[in-house]
Amino acid sequence: DAGVIQSPRHEVTEMGQEVTLRCKPISGHDYLFWYRQTMMRGLELLIYFNNNVPIDDSGMPEDRFSAKMPNASFSTLKIQPSEPRDSAVYFCASSFLASPSNEQFFGPGTRLTVL
Amino acid sequence: GESVGLHLPTLSVQEGDNSIINCAYSNSASDYFIWYKQESGKGPQFIIDIRSNMDKRQGQRVTVLLNKTVKHLSLQIAATQPGDSAVYFCAEIWANYGQNFVFGPGTRLSVLP
Repeated sequence: DAGVIQSPRHEVTEMGQEVTLRCKPISGHDYLFWYRQTMMRGLELLIYFNNNVPIDDSGMPEDRFSAKMPNASFSTLKIQPSEPRDSAVYFCASSFLASPSNEQFFGPGTRLTVL
Repeated sequence: GESVGLHLPTLSVQEGDNSIINCAYSNSASDYFIWYKQESGKGPQFIIDIRSNMDKRQGQRVTVLLNKTVKHLSLQIAATQPGDSAVYFCAEIWANYGQNFVFGPGTRLSVLP
């Protein structure tokens, strides 16, 4: 398996623009997570899905952020409108509940810069 | 303007020495803990895990110790190598809270030649 795939790897946009980040989890995994990492706040969980259903979105900073998982192999995180404080690295991770370690497998991340 | 950024604790060790990275967790009800390694420009990578009913677990060159009395977790790396240089995070999981992982702030390990 190729692991968790995220695109784009880098995104530079201007304040006010819509940004869409994409994630393909590992096949067969039933949990998908979106994280944000910044120097100021470290690694923060934004939202996670189980079997394509959002379970906990309490980490989503505000209404400008939304996430969807239309099927088991694809998820998006959208920011509209984007602001400079949204600049961060966004990670997607997936896991399989029945695995012995409950390990989360992380993607390479998308580095977002909002000017 | 932005406030002061997160200052990561840094541990510097000589190549070949043993490293001990510490982590304090917050929830005495956490029943599962994981150590992750994050190299520059990459996502976190699983190293080793431990359940709350254990106090020690060993892997290849790594050992995790759990002290529930003081809510403390440590990661020991034997014979530290240059490739071990990275930021190390501990994460705690509450089973009753689904799959929600809470990550610590991280420690930067720097291996000196």
